[in-house]
Amino acid sequence: GAVVSQHPSWVICKSGTSVKIECRSLDFQATTMFWYRQFPKQSLMLMATSNEGSKATYEQGVEKDKFLINHASLTLSTLTVTSAHPEDSSFYICSAEGTGEQFFGPGTRLTVL
Amino acid sequence: QKEVEQDPGPLSVPEGAIVSLNCTYSNSAFQYFMWYRQYSRKGPELLMYTYSSGNKEDGRFTAQVDKSSKYISLFIRDSQPSDSATYLCAMSALGAGNNRKLIWGLGTSLAVNP
Repeated sequence: GAVVSQHPSWVICKSGTSVKIECRSLDFQATTMFWYRQFPKQSLMLMATSNEGSKATYEQGVEKDKFLINHASLTLSTLTVTSAHPEDSSFYICSAEGTGEQFFGPGTRLTVL
Repeated sequence: QKEVEQDPGPLSVPEGAIVSLNCTYSNSAFQYFMWYRQYSRKGPELLMYTYSSGNKEDGRFTAQVDKSSKYISLFIRDSQPSDSATYLCAMSALGAGNNRKLIWGLGTSLAVNP
C-alpha cells in the first residue's frame, strides 16, 4: 500500500526558533499534500493544501507567514513553523493524495518550551 | 452547528461485542464518506470508503450511508482488543482526482475489553 513518512516523529524546541517538518510519499507521486494539526482529544484540523509547484492554499485563521509550506517535488512537502511559541505545540500530520485517496503520515509531535 | 457531528465517547465494550459508531452531517453536498482508525500518537489509517448511499462490507467492518437522513455508521462485528482506537468519520463533496477537502468528525474513542 501507499506509504507516507514524516520526519522528525517528535521534536522539542525553544520558543522563538523555527522547526521544519518533512512529509514524503515513498512509493507514489502526490500532486497534492495536506497539512493537519491535531490537539489532544480533538479532531484533525486542516491547515493548508499544498500542490506541487504552486503556492499552498491556507485555511481561514492559519497564518501563512508563520506556517511556511513548500511542495518542491511530487514526493516531498515541508512545513516550517517559524518563531514557534508554546501554543504551537501540537501533533502535526500530513497526508498525500494518490489515486483519489488520502494516505496519512505517522505525525510529528512538536513541543515548544 | 458543526458540519459533521460525532459523539467522542469514550465507548467501552466487551470483546466479541458488535460496535456501532455514528456521524451526522448537515451539508447535503457531501458524497464521499470515509472512516479512519487512529491509534494513539499515530496518523489516521483509512478503514472504509463509500460513495453515496448504501452499505459496504469489508471483513468485520460494515459502513452504512443514509443520505436522506444525513447519517453514516460504522459497524464492527466480533470486536477485538486490537480494535481499541479512535475512529474518525470524514466526508467530502468533491470526487477523486480533485483536491478533496475532508471535513472531519471529532472521533469516537473505543475500548474493547478482553
